[in-house]
Amino acid sequence: AQSVAQPEDQVNVAEGNPLTVKCTYSVSGNPYLFWYVQYPNRGLQFLLKYITGDNLVKGSYGFEAEFNKSQTSFHLKKPSALVSDSALYFCAVRQYGNNRLAFGKGNQVVVIP
Amino acid sequence: DTAVSQTPKYLVTQMGNDKSIKCEQNLGHDTMYWYKQDSKKFLKIMFSYNNKELIINETVPNRFSPKSPDKAHLNLHINSLELGDSAVYFCASSQDGTGTYEQYFGPGTRLTVT
Repeated sequence: AQSVAQPEDQVNVAEGNPLTVKCTYSVSGNPYLFWYVQYPNRGLQFLLKYITGDNLVKGSYGFEAEFNKSQTSFHLKKPSALVSDSALYFCAVRQYGNNRLAFGKGNQVVVIP
Repeated sequence: DTAVSQTPKYLVTQMGNDKSIKCEQNLGHDTMYWYKQDSKKFLKIMFSYNNKELIINETVPNRFSPKSPDKAHLNLHINSLELGDSAVYFCASSQDGTGTYEQYFGPGTRLTVT
């Protein structure tokens, strides 16, 4: 069964500094990897995905993520954080041929002005 | 243009009651899902339908019954509500056949059972 680990509960970063949210995964075969963001009292919004191809994927709002197969990681990054990036971030994985999506526990990101 | 919509947004009811949540997507997707998000924000898949057929049925009490009248709609009916059913329920949809795979979520229905 597929699973995701997001080791940190909360990530604090000063506005303008680089932001990294960590994610490692476990899956049989090739993974499909996703990042979502959830603002308070809202649904999840899709940010980016890795299916195949270039290991560095770019997504919405200036976010990017790097797929590292040897480390089974898919960390989310943003070069310069904004206060408006403060939200809950979820990493998710599914395996090829299975549409069951497994979510991590989520990381609260707090961007300090 | 709401892509995935749910009604109601808030639902407050008493233990023992029966309630339904409705979901509609206008994205033309062929697969729809129900998720439960608990108080710790943990997300768990409950059900999934592909072209009106049930394809994922997680370990969920049989008081929960999904129904898909067509591929744009997926409803969730809950019988004999319990305190532990209080959570936020999200509907989502995806279209796997075109290689997109990502799921699009509705705004959620916050269910409070008193």
